[in-house]
Amino acid sequence: QSALTQPASVSGSPGQSITISCTGTSSDVGGYNYVSWYQQHPGKAPKLMIYDVSNRPSGVSNRFSGSKSGNTASLTISGLQAEDEADYYCSSYTSSSTLLYVFGTGTKVTVL
Amino acid sequence: QVQLVQSGAEVKKPGSSVKVSCKASGGTFSSYTISWVRQAPGQGLEWMGRIIPILGIANYAQKFQGRVTITADKSTSTAYMELSSLRSEDTAVYYCASAPFVEMATISWFDPWGQGTLVTVSS
Repeated sequence: QSALTQPASVSGSPGQSITISCTGTSSDVGGYNYVSWYQQHPGKAPKLMIYDVSNRPSGVSNRFSGSKSGNTASLTISGLQAEDEADYYCSSYTSSSTLLYVFGTGTKVTVL
Repeated sequence: QVQLVQSGAEVKKPGSSVKVSCKASGGTFSSYTISWVRQAPGQGLEWMGRIIPILGIANYAQKFQGRVTITADKSTSTAYMELSSLRSEDTAVYYCASAPFVEMATISWFDPWGQGTLVTVSS
């Protein structure tokens, strides 16, 4: 079971929108609506931003939204702000026999 | 909401074992599952395994099978992750993370997370 594939980096100017992709297979992302997204600032623990593809936990800004098409899930950050600069990871439940959950490779978001 | 507090940093010799604790407070321990996720320096997140305290059932990633043991003490609301036969590649920050336990349902997210425990394996 390989990690889900994310772009290494994405950048945008304040106020712009960016989208991070997360590509898996029919055994994980494509097979279930169990994709979640995490934000991680340097030296900090990850923070849940989106669960079950498109649901936002209480307290997470509505500038963050999630979607999925086929084997690829996406996280969109609209109205980019300086504090959004962080690493982002996707995760999915998987039917693999080798593990229950798989994470993405991670994406560094830079606010220009 | 539950809060998770982990034990402090550890320095271990190759071939030894380490046991990291994760104490939950502010919620009902038996209502959650606890997963362990590690992050090597400059690398991504890696799921290692989880325990369902109310059932006493643990699941492990095949990569760590035989080397990792995850347990839970319901009396103290504490989960433990023990990793044996340590090697330098096990140097990482180890996180515990919780998820609601709902029978017959799949809860696939992790929230909240502990603060992380740095385990350094060095001779």
